[in-house]
Amino acid sequence: DTGVSQDPRHKITKRGQNVTFRCDPISEHNRLYWYRQTLGQGPEFLTYFQNEAQLEKSRLLSDRFSAERPKGSFSTLEIQRTEQGDSAMYLCASSLDGTAAYQPQHFGDGTRLSIL
Amino acid sequence: EDKVVQSPLSLVVHEGDTVTLNCSYEVTNFRSLLWYKQEKKAPTFLFMLTSSGIEKKSGRLSSILDKKELFSILNITATQTGDSAVYLCAGGSGGSNYKLTFGKGTLLTVNP
Repeated sequence: DTGVSQDPRHKITKRGQNVTFRCDPISEHNRLYWYRQTLGQGPEFLTYFQNEAQLEKSRLLSDRFSAERPKGSFSTLEIQRTEQGDSAMYLCASSLDGTAAYQPQHFGDGTRLSIL
Repeated sequence: EDKVVQSPLSLVVHEGDTVTLNCSYEVTNFRSLLWYKQEKKAPTFLFMLTSSGIEKKSGRLSSILDKKELFSILNITATQTGDSAVYLCAGGSGGSNYKLTFGKGTLLTVNP
């Protein structure tokens, strides 16, 4: 499978616990994005990386959230001290860095987070 | 704040019908308009539109962008039950389209 891969597919945890999700982008893609999607809504942009550099963070990303992409390949998204409102589907996407053409983002299947 | 509005929010049709899904956008530093299909899992890329008036087609699906009216439509002809999904519209902004602002989606149900 050469698509975007996310792990785990589903995470259930108690409020106040820390969780970490992993995303492996399509291998030749140097841009990586995180989105959050709640029921009945479209995905909301959280942050994006070009190679290992985190270039943009949404104001939705509180200081309990941190994302890394240490070697410019896979990325992790950590949520500390989880709250009920963090329950959502966390989607990762990747794209080529197109200069001559705009490159569409391709999404993984997401990690569904449920906070008890 | 950037905004993308889709209509209708849901639609029920019979197999063989033709449907038109609507998307209006207000996106700062607009670069492109993208359509995705979401069936329970990952949104699957359908189209990216950057120029007004040029229709993009893929089989029974087609889409067009009007940059003057800030509007796009997605047409599906001869619908099939496998077309049942949420169709998401997104405005791309920023250099090289890095940020997508999505609408809430249109839930299409195609009955046999």
